[in-house]
Amino acid sequence: SQQGEEDPQALSIQEGENATMNCSYKTSINNLQWYRQNSGRGLVHLILIRSNEREKHSGRLRVTLDTSKKSSSLLITASRAADTASYFCATDSPGGQGAQKLVFGQGTRLTINP
Amino acid sequence: KAGVTQTPRYLIKTRGQQVTLSCSPISGHRSVSWYQQTPGQGLQFLFEYFSETQRNKGNFPGRFSGRQFSNSRSEMNVSTLELGDSALYLCASSLLFLGGANVLTFGAGSRLTVL
Repeated sequence: SQQGEEDPQALSIQEGENATMNCSYKTSINNLQWYRQNSGRGLVHLILIRSNEREKHSGRLRVTLDTSKKSSSLLITASRAADTASYFCATDSPGGQGAQKLVFGQGTRLTINP
Repeated sequence: KAGVTQTPRYLIKTRGQQVTLSCSPISGHRSVSWYQQTPGQGLQFLFEYFSETQRNKGNFPGRFSGRQFSNSRSEMNVSTLELGDSALYLCASSLLFLGGANVLTFGAGSRLTVL
């Protein structure tokens, strides 16, 4: 079952614009991660935000987390053609000796038009 | 250092056959997870191994199995293949430590087509 639901499913913007993707989840979490997948390839970890953090930055990426609303957003600023990919949120639920699985959302397909 | 290596990258099978996929994790990573990715279902968790023990299993039929060897390399097997097993199978490894986050490093995947 999917823990995260992403919105929108697809997003198409012009190069240089900002892209915002949202993720909602259902149960309490230890942390939330964002991954990128280029077509037909493996996923690449982008950024992790812990449940006690509200915002985190990494280069052109900005992630926010609202645990009261069980939601997160990923902002990519000044988008480039190379940012074209699918973006997934993944949640890591509490319990056990470290987390044993990440549950991924359905993803947002981002297209950057030159 | 070398990334996660999955073999084979592409394979075509027919219904009823079986398939074995292999995954070599990053050196030092003891946890290996497997995911199935399809357009309709997205990324679905199959199972996770740590120190040769399966610690978690997703909601897949018994035709899907796996194992992990003492060198942390892992294999997954699908028997009696069905058309719906056509998917990208992704392996990921992680360096788990107590209290740490489970950050996954993925391989490029094995694309299975069942005819």
